[in-house]
Amino acid sequence: AQKVTQAQTEISVVEKEDVTLDCVYETRDTTYYLFWYKQPPSGELVFLIRRNSFDEQNEISGRYSWNFQKSTSSFNFTITASQVVDSAVYFCALSDVMTTDSWGKLQFGAGTQVVVTP
Amino acid sequence: DGGITQSPKYLFRKEGQNVTLSCEQNLNHDAMYWYRQDPGQGLRLIYYSQIVNDFQKGDIAEGYSVSREKKESFPLTVTSAQKNPTAFYLCASTPPIPGNEQFFGPGTRLTVL
Repeated sequence: AQKVTQAQTEISVVEKEDVTLDCVYETRDTTYYLFWYKQPPSGELVFLIRRNSFDEQNEISGRYSWNFQKSTSSFNFTITASQVVDSAVYFCALSDVMTTDSWGKLQFGAGTQVVVTP
Repeated sequence: DGGITQSPKYLFRKEGQNVTLSCEQNLNHDAMYWYRQDPGQGLRLIYYSQIVNDFQKGDIAEGYSVSREKKESFPLTVTSAQKNPTAFYLCASTPPIPGNEQFFGPGTRLTVL
């Protein structure tokens, strides 16, 4: 069975500090996809980044960066120079390969609340 | 603009009443999903549908029912059999592309009094 663990319940930082969110996953599949979503107070989930299991290259996109380590089953996410607008709940999610039984279903972690104060 | 619409944003019902939550998308996506979110928890899958007239149970389908008569629409009915229906409900859709992200609607917050 798939499982996603976000051990950090809440992280509070002062604006301009960096924030790193941890995500550890479990899966028996060799091909899978990992996602980070942001949920602002309005409630709608916003897609941030995606990584497939064959691509361990870590990237930076603006103020966002991620560190995917297959050896430790981790997919950590960093916000650099945080801003008040980054305050939200962040979810890590895992998806297996599309089949007739599990077409793109997402397994979510419990989420990490990020609070950025001025 | 393309997107997913969920209505209403807030819904109040008396205990024992069935209630239907609307989800409409104009993204031409084949797959649609319903998730439930409780305070401080992640999203849990209720039902999903890959094509019209076909749907599958997710992890917490008991007390819920769905239909998929049109590609654009995937309504969720919360029945009186659902023991604790008060929650935030999110609808999502995605095209049949491996690894593609799911697009989410704004959600419906259901409160059963």
